[in-house]
Amino acid sequence: GAVVSQHPSRVICKSGTSVKIECRSLDFQATTMFWYRQFPKKSLMLMATSNEGSKATYEQGVEKDKFLINHASLTLSTLTVTSAHPEDSSFYICSARSSGTDYEQYFGPGTRLTVT
Amino acid sequence: GQNIDQPTEMTATEGAIVQINCTYQTSGFNGLFWYQQHAGEAPTFLSYNVLDGLEEKGRFSSFLSRSKGYSYLLLKELQMKDSASYLCAVSDSNYQLIWGAGTKLIIKP
Repeated sequence: GAVVSQHPSRVICKSGTSVKIECRSLDFQATTMFWYRQFPKKSLMLMATSNEGSKATYEQGVEKDKFLINHASLTLSTLTVTSAHPEDSSFYICSARSSGTDYEQYFGPGTRLTVT
Repeated sequence: GQNIDQPTEMTATEGAIVQINCTYQTSGFNGLFWYQQHAGEAPTFLSYNVLDGLEEKGRFSSFLSRSKGYSYLLLKELQMKDSASYLCAVSDSNYQLIWGAGTKLIIKP
């Protein structure tokens, strides 16, 4: 099956710093990538949808200047949490959808961000 | 608005059968997914239904009725490793996934 990697798997940073999370599709081309965050015992919350070569579409309530998304190639998308605060601590998960299908999303393993 | 409903938590016994229901109201429909998520991990794909009826895959089966806006995930011969959250998600008219809150399944020996 299709494989999506995410790096780093865990990161601890100090308040006010920025953190970059990478999402890569390893064996397929992902025309669309999705970024989710998940709080403990809660469902996935879609943050933004990014299509290769164009600006990401952010969900209502998600600050685009705080959560910078770049999808520069068909295999890589990055999420940068700028000026992180403790309330940004969460589990961030990316998923990718290939150009050949309209339905299935393949998930990365997730990144646990802790802001101290 | 768009809405996905599923029970918050269910408990079942090892070796038994459990059915997790999901009802939905969405703008458009391009299929319904079931995902399994163990604590601290990303979701993994279980099934996809776009036509009415039952899809069987080993111990897991998924059923869909589009006219009723209803689906269920059936797990047979439960094993302790099946303890996880089960997420129902519907692909809407824009192929965006609308997620349910998930059902935490607890398996007891």
